[in-house]
Amino acid sequence: GNSVTQMEGPVTLSEEAFLTINCTYTATGYPSLFWYVQYPGEGLQLLLKATKADDKGSNKGFEATYRKETTSFHLEKGSVQVSDSAVYFCALPSGAGSYQLTFGKGTKLSVIP
Amino acid sequence: DGGITQSPKYLFRKEGQNVTLSCEQNLNHDAMYWYRQDPGQGLRLIYYSQIVNDFQKGDIAEGYSVSREKKESFPLTVTSAQKNPTAFYLCASSTGGGAQQTQYFGPGTRLLVL
Repeated sequence: GNSVTQMEGPVTLSEEAFLTINCTYTATGYPSLFWYVQYPGEGLQLLLKATKADDKGSNKGFEATYRKETTSFHLEKGSVQVSDSAVYFCALPSGAGSYQLTFGKGTKLSVIP
Repeated sequence: DGGITQSPKYLFRKEGQNVTLSCEQNLNHDAMYWYRQDPGQGLRLIYYSQIVNDFQKGDIAEGYSVSREKKESFPLTVTSAQKNPTAFYLCASSTGGGAQQTQYFGPGTRLLVL
């Protein structure tokens, strides 16, 4: 089935620093790719998604581009804030026709003032 | 507003007791899911349901049971056979499966053993 490898962290950044969280995948075909965010004590929220190669998903200043050539979907933000402190998960469907999502192990981001 | 609600937020289980976690969605989604999250780990699928009156086991179904009598509701029962139930439980829903599905999550229920 499909799989994802995500940078594990933890990552600690100062406010206004540039963020990159790496995610690479192996997949059959071109499934949608997702980034979810989990704030402390809460459920997962869909942060952004891309549905086909070269698509760029964006939300709240975060961006990720679906790169077929490098099988990557790295999450980036130009200037992080303290409120971005959370755990970030990369995910994709487990296979064609599958109802399962395969998640990365999560990257904990802490932003310090 | 459409969304997924889970109750209770915290739940305590005594030894030998079955407990039921509630999940309700008003997104008109056909598919619903239950995940377990342990500290510092990713998500593991317990059960999922593609449609009313149908459900399938996920990767860690032992010690859990579900029902899907209504489209909006997908309760999860943690039975006494689940020896290590302490975890954060997340419910999700989607319009369907396959390569283009998008799953949306509820706020979670934290289960603790007394």
